Amino acid sequence: DGGITQSPKYLFRKEGQNVTLSCEQNLNHDAMYWYRQDPGQGLRLIYYSQIVNDFQKGDIAEGYSVSREKKESFPLTVTSAQKNPTAFYLCASSQDRIGTDTQYFGPGTRLTVL
Amino acid sequence: AQSVTQLGSHVSVSEGALVLLRCNYSSSVPPYLFWYVQYPNQGLQLLLKYTSAATLVKGINGFEAEFKKSETSFHLTKPSAHMSDAAEYFCAVSYYGDMRFGAGTRLTVKP
Repeated sequence: DGGITQSPKYLFRKEGQNVTLSCEQNLNHDAMYWYRQDPGQGLRLIYYSQIVNDFQKGDIAEGYSVSREKKESFPLTVTSAQKNPTAFYLCASSQDRIGTDTQYFGPGTRLTVL
Repeated sequence: AQSVTQLGSHVSVSEGALVLLRCNYSSSVPPYLFWYVQYPNQGLQLLLKYTSAATLVKGINGFEAEFKKSETSFHLTKPSAHMSDAAEYFCAVSYYGDMRFGAGTRLTVKP
């Protein structure tokens, strides 16, 4: 079955540590996205990538980094510079980054800073 | 810049009653509009989307939404609520792939 997988489902981090969230898709989509979800705030875009080896900052990129070395993979690193990283992180992909394209979402990773 | 506003962070209905979740958008160009549903601790699932082909859009699970340009609205409705409809619903507007989400409306269904 085609889809998007995210791992781990739950992640705990100590303050000062970097952590990497995995996102893999087998939909052959060109575009991939990372969103952060906080209660009552909807989804906010962290980074997106339209092609391999290229990515762009979203609205809240500070304290995060990404890479896109393969079409199917778009890992997100939450660095120690992110002051409030506890949140639910969602990865998505779409065929292309145009207005009509549906974004398909993974199941999410819940990150908690201890 | 485009944006969406969802009126009501919480909506409660009785099983079998009409579901109405409100969404208003602002966009300087004709928008592409989406409704997604999220169950607890899961990702978002597409319910339906409007791409200018028809103003009344039918989606999955009996939901539909009507695009009203004069009111800049894209409200989501379902004639008869089911217990399994309890979830959080997000309206989104997209312009050249820049998708903006509303804050979400949590739907509770009472037996």
